[in-house]
Amino acid sequence: DVVMTQSPDSLAVSLGERATINCKSSRSVLNSSNNKNYLAWYQQKPGQPPKLLIYWASTRESGVPDRFSGSGSGTDFTLTISSLQAEDVAVYYCQQFYTTPETFGQGTEVEIK
Amino acid sequence: EVQLVEAGGGLVQPGRSLRLSCTAAGFTFGDYGVSWFRKAPGKGLEWVGFIRSKAYGETTEYAASVRGRFTISRDDSKSIAYLQMASLKTEDTAVYYCSRDILWVRKGYDYWGQGTLVTVSS
Repeated sequence: DVVMTQSPDSLAVSLGERATINCKSSRSVLNSSNNKNYLAWYQQKPGQPPKLLIYWASTRESGVPDRFSGSGSGTDFTLTISSLQAEDVAVYYCQQFYTTPETFGQGTEVEIK
Repeated sequence: EVQLVEAGGGLVQPGRSLRLSCTAAGFTFGDYGVSWFRKAPGKGLEWVGFIRSKAYGETTEYAASVRGRFTISRDDSKSIAYLQMASLKTEDTAVYYCSRDILWVRKGYDYWGQGTLVTVSS
């Protein structure tokens, strides 16, 4: 199985400041046939389903604010919230869908400092 | 508007069975794969398994934790996918979500249902 490891487990950031979450996969999730990393980022708030923020490691889903951005390739990925807003308090997960079983990171809880 | 609605959750005793459904609307259900996920209390998200569309052979794959106990099926005429769960264990207690998979442009899971709670307890 591809193990996804996120860091940190939790993060407290002041409003308007940058939040950075890292995700490392135990092996590459780059699909060489189309040069796309099969890596997604989700936001989950209590009592709600996950919301897709970023796919292919760096493509923002339609309707997602541009303060959310993703980067990385191969095995190392980053989700950045450039200016944290109150509504961004949530748990964030990375997920690889390159191979089954599809696997998630353990989640990073983002809160306001 | 794309919608996915799970149903069928509830309280069930260990060893018993339960069938969840995922009813879709707002898109051509038969063109898409369907994945099931779960979130246990205090834990992270877990992929349970998926079923591909007929065009992709309607094949299924499962997480090791449920393989042999859970079965995913679909009825494209009704736009419904099912998760049949047997020999339930207390560790299967979770909110179960379904989501659609755009098989020809794999980009993660863009629409999810609100989830249905399954509690396995005596």
